[in-house]
Amino acid sequence: ETGVTQTPRHLVMGMTNKKSLKCEQHLGHNAMYWYKQSAKKPLELMFVYSLEERVENNSVPSRFSPECPNSSHLFLHLHTLQPEDSALYLCASSQDPSGDREQYFGPGTRLTVT
Amino acid sequence: GQQVMQIPQYQHVQEGEDFTTYCNSSTTLSNIQWYKQRPGGHPVFLIQLVKSGEVKKQKRLTFQFGEAKKNSSLHITATQTTDVGTYFCARSGTYKYIFGTGTRLKVLA
Repeated sequence: ETGVTQTPRHLVMGMTNKKSLKCEQHLGHNAMYWYKQSAKKPLELMFVYSLEERVENNSVPSRFSPECPNSSHLFLHLHTLQPEDSALYLCASSQDPSGDREQYFGPGTRLTVT
Repeated sequence: GQQVMQIPQYQHVQEGEDFTTYCNSSTTLSNIQWYKQRPGGHPVFLIQLVKSGEVKKQKRLTFQFGEAKKNSSLHITATQTTDVGTYFCARSGTYKYIFGTGTRLKVLA
């Protein structure tokens, strides 16, 4: 499946580093999402973008900064992360953000903060 | 609040046995979605249920939505090793998707 791609697939970073995760969807969808998946925790919705506008921010710390330059691309900028931020970060898209549409997930970026 | 609880957390079955996972909410759901995540993979959409009492089938998978729209179940008949993975339910609304904790299924050959 290549509908939603994410890079890099793996990332190791120190707490003082700045890095960015990239997501691209080739499905013509209007909504994009960032999720965090940690061991033994449910998928946590972090940010929702609809037509490049952020419509939901679920109390995410400011060390995570999303950017959506167009409806096909989504970034997650990371800076001064903590070890507990180590997780699988998943990008998803859907046709619209109504909640009535299925989400298509990318393969994720496995992030390790040292 | 709006959380969805899933049980069981883990299930080991012998190949050929049936499997069921349950999703429960304390509040009425407008709809429920089910996803499957293979080990090392990402969630893949399976189905969406909208109507009270709805039952949908996909080959050996049967999905049900409760009459009160507060619970849902996924039943797999005669499991196969390809059914291994974690099954998530998710409640959704405008700008919101809330996933359950998932049920991790292992199938022993």
